[in-house]
Amino acid sequence: AQSVTQLGSHVSVSEGALVLLRCNYSSSVPPYLFWYVQYPNQGLQLLLKYTTGATLVKGINGFEAEFKKSETSFHLTKPSAHMSDAAEYFCAVSLNTNAGKSTFGDGTTLTVKP
Amino acid sequence: DTGVSQNPRHKITKRGQNVTFRCDPISEHNRLYWYRQTLGQGPEFLTYFQNEAQLEKSRLLSDRFSAERPKGSFSTLEIQRTEQGDSAMYLCASSLGQNNEQFFGPGTRLTVL
Repeated sequence: AQSVTQLGSHVSVSEGALVLLRCNYSSSVPPYLFWYVQYPNQGLQLLLKYTTGATLVKGINGFEAEFKKSETSFHLTKPSAHMSDAAEYFCAVSLNTNAGKSTFGDGTTLTVKP
Repeated sequence: DTGVSQNPRHKITKRGQNVTFRCDPISEHNRLYWYRQTLGQGPEFLTYFQNEAQLEKSRLLSDRFSAERPKGSFSTLEIQRTEQGDSAMYLCASSLGQNNEQFFGPGTRLTVL
């Protein structure tokens, strides 16, 4: 079984400031980890993913995340927030099995202040 | 590659009516997933198909819900005798089964009055 906890349902930053969205997971086997972004009334768009290999993963729109097995974390960061980053962000985990279904966190709403 | 499409985008129905949603995955993708998302929560897994075979169903999928994927192409999700608690966004995703990367459609928002 797997689960995801996103710490902080709302995060507010100023434009140009560091973005840090927290995600912790639990998994009985090596996980695949994902971050998705969702804009209002739209589906989810993949930002980045970790499967195997390098633990620092770079994604689209300047986002990156680091897989830390010892901390069971996969926090999402961006050095400088842009107004267009305002959206809801979901962390997800799936098992390294054939099923592929993902378990999602409850999401973090990012607000970017001018 | 036109992405995953879902129809309709919005559906308003009265309690007790049946509704059917359609999902067209990316053409070469063999896996198709249905999720339900309610306000303030992340998507919850409902069911998934590998080609035409429905391989797993969540406990969330009551006997009022049925999903099909004839010929391993598009999929339909039907809800019979809708209840107000069925109001949610229903998301479809597809994947090639490699590294479990899923591509999501825009969703169908269901409102049950």
